[in-house]
Amino acid sequence: SQKIEQNSEALNIQEGKTATLTCNYTNYSPAYLQWYRQDPGRGPVFLLLIRENEKEKRKERLKVTFDTTLKQSLFHITASQPADSATYLCALDMSAGNKLTFGGGTRVLVKP
Amino acid sequence: DTGVSQNPRHKITKRGQNVTFRCDPISEHNRLYWYRQTLGQGPEFLTYFQNEAQLEKSRLLSDRFSAERPKGSFSTLEIQRTEQGDSAMYLCASSPSGTSGALAQYFGPGTRLLVL
Repeated sequence: SQKIEQNSEALNIQEGKTATLTCNYTNYSPAYLQWYRQDPGRGPVFLLLIRENEKEKRKERLKVTFDTTLKQSLFHITASQPADSATYLCALDMSAGNKLTFGGGTRVLVKP
Repeated sequence: DTGVSQNPRHKITKRGQNVTFRCDPISEHNRLYWYRQTLGQGPEFLTYFQNEAQLEKSRLLSDRFSAERPKGSFSTLEIQRTEQGDSAMYLCASSPSGTSGALAQYFGPGTRLLVL
């Protein structure tokens, strides 16, 4: 069966450290993988996307890797800040611009 | 650019009633998506439009659900004969259609539905 797995346990991290989130998938062949941030009671906000032929993408303190052999993406927040506390969702895009298939999200709590 | 807007933000209804939600996408975006999200889960795809054409519907979408985008601008999602299992956050998103490559989706704040 098809699955997208993100760590359902909250990630508690000290301010200034790097938070690393994983997104594993099975029986999918995404062309793209996207990461979104969601705050309580609000809609998701786009952060980064990475193509299947890209290994790594960076944007400010964020870094995403995509390993199609392992069927895994890692999402890193470096020099984390309390304002980074939110739920982070990975989403698979099988063919550009169509529906997204989301994982369950990982909640991150950055403590000062 | 005022972003994606959704109305109402909250809706409480009794089981068996019909409800309709509205989504106004970002004006130059011709793709519009509907998702449903329950507590602790990621958004789940329902349907999407390219302009006024509905291009895909989830198999999970029962016959009680219908969506329209009559002039390729705003969209409505109607749920007929609501059931308690329909209680969820209904999210709308829009994106421009590119000639190649994936594009970010811009989400609205959602409509939270509670069916009593």
